[in-house]
Amino acid sequence: QSVLTQPPSASGAPGQRVAISCSGGSSNIGSNIVSWYQHFPGTAPKLLIYSNFQRPAGVPDRFSGSKSGTSASLVISGLQSEDEGDYYCAAWDDSLDGQMFGGGTKLTVL
Amino acid sequence: EEQLVQSGAEMKKPGESLKISCKASGYGFRTYWIAWVRQTPGKGLEWMGIIYPGDYGAKYSPSFQGQVTISADTSTTTAYLQWSSLRASDTAIYYCSRHIGYYTSGDLWGQGTLVTVSS
Repeated sequence: QSVLTQPPSASGAPGQRVAISCSGGSSNIGSNIVSWYQHFPGTAPKLLIYSNFQRPAGVPDRFSGSKSGTSASLVISGLQSEDEGDYYCAAWDDSLDGQMFGGGTKLTVL
Repeated sequence: EEQLVQSGAEMKKPGESLKISCKASGYGFRTYWIAWVRQTPGKGLEWMGIIYPGDYGAKYSPSFQGQVTISADTSTTTAYLQWSSLRASDTAIYYCSRHIGYYTSGDLWGQGTLVTVSS
């Protein structure tokens, strides 16, 4: 079981908005920054969101991140077919002294 | 261009040793941390550990402590992940990633190295 909990799957039609949650605890999300990664099978993970809500250069503003307490959320607006893939949240855990990933959410664009 | 280029796919037998690499270029190798992340078939991402080439300090996930060794060579700007005795359960894709701080996000990733361990 992952320290950070994500729904195993999410879906939406093109153009719709989808939110992916990431639930943790006081030793990880509650006290450290959250990152989000997009991962397509056979390719390297791509950083989508860093420091809870910041987007790296080149990441469309359709992707947004937020954090509140011990939970975080990734929102994808204007869903596109090329968004279909796996999404992971991550945060440092002070108790485990290591980076923790969520279990991942498989996004399907209907 | 900033990039991390990993060594090629490996096929090994249980009990064999292995060292895979992650060659950094286009940035100051000593000033960023390099982490290793495992993806097992059909499963998610697992953080294995991280090293700071500047002083060779490393942190390991409790799940991987004692099972692997992370190292770096500043003369060749290359980070390494090695096993002394592989198991079938080590079959996975391994990624390296670059981090400004040990607790921060990975902003640059290698293409991954597939390691297959089978008798």
